[in-house]
Amino acid sequence: AQKVTQAQTEISVVEKEDVTLDCVYETRDTTYYLFWYKQPPSGELVFLIRRNSFDEQNEISGRYSWNFQKSTSSFNFTITASQVVDSAVYFCALSEASTGANNLFFGTGTRLTVIP
Amino acid sequence: DSGVTQTPKHLITATGQRVTLRCSPRSGDLSVYWYQQSLDQGLQFLIQYYNGEERAKGNILERFSAQQFPDLHSELNLSSLELGDSALYFCASSPSGDKRQPQHFGDGTRLSIL
Repeated sequence: AQKVTQAQTEISVVEKEDVTLDCVYETRDTTYYLFWYKQPPSGELVFLIRRNSFDEQNEISGRYSWNFQKSTSSFNFTITASQVVDSAVYFCALSEASTGANNLFFGTGTRLTVIP
Repeated sequence: DSGVTQTPKHLITATGQRVTLRCSPRSGDLSVYWYQQSLDQGLQFLIQYYNGEERAKGNILERFSAQQFPDLHSELNLSSLELGDSALYFCASSPSGDKRQPQHFGDGTRLSIL
């Protein structure tokens, strides 16, 4: 069965520090998709990135970077030089190709607080 | 702004009542998804519609139902409400339901049962 684990429930960092949010997943599928979403205090869910299981290339977008390692079933998210606006709950999610449904399985989220 | 519109933003009602949540997907998106976010269950998939047809069901209670109309907007109906139904209900949409396409979420409807 599929599973997404975000072991870090809450993280606090001081502004300008780097922070890494961990995501470990379980799936029997060889083809799957991984996602990160951000939920700021206002409550909406904002899509950040999607990764395919067959593409292990890391990705960088501004201060955000993602490290995908199939060998350890991890898809970690790093924020460089964190800012107060980064304070939010971050969710990792998984979608499996073999299931007919296109539903996302979400982790429990990591609440990031950036202290000014 | 994701382009997905959910109304109302907040809903307060009593146990035993029935409510309808509404969602308008992004322009051009044919697939609509409903999720429930609660403190004890986290974010859970409820149901997916694609171009008016039910495509998949998740952990949706029998007291809950949904539909997608010809104009592609969707409604989630919750009946015989219980205290435990208090949650944030999200609607998301994607162009075709292809798993490679990310789902874009609305701002949610916060349902409070008194």
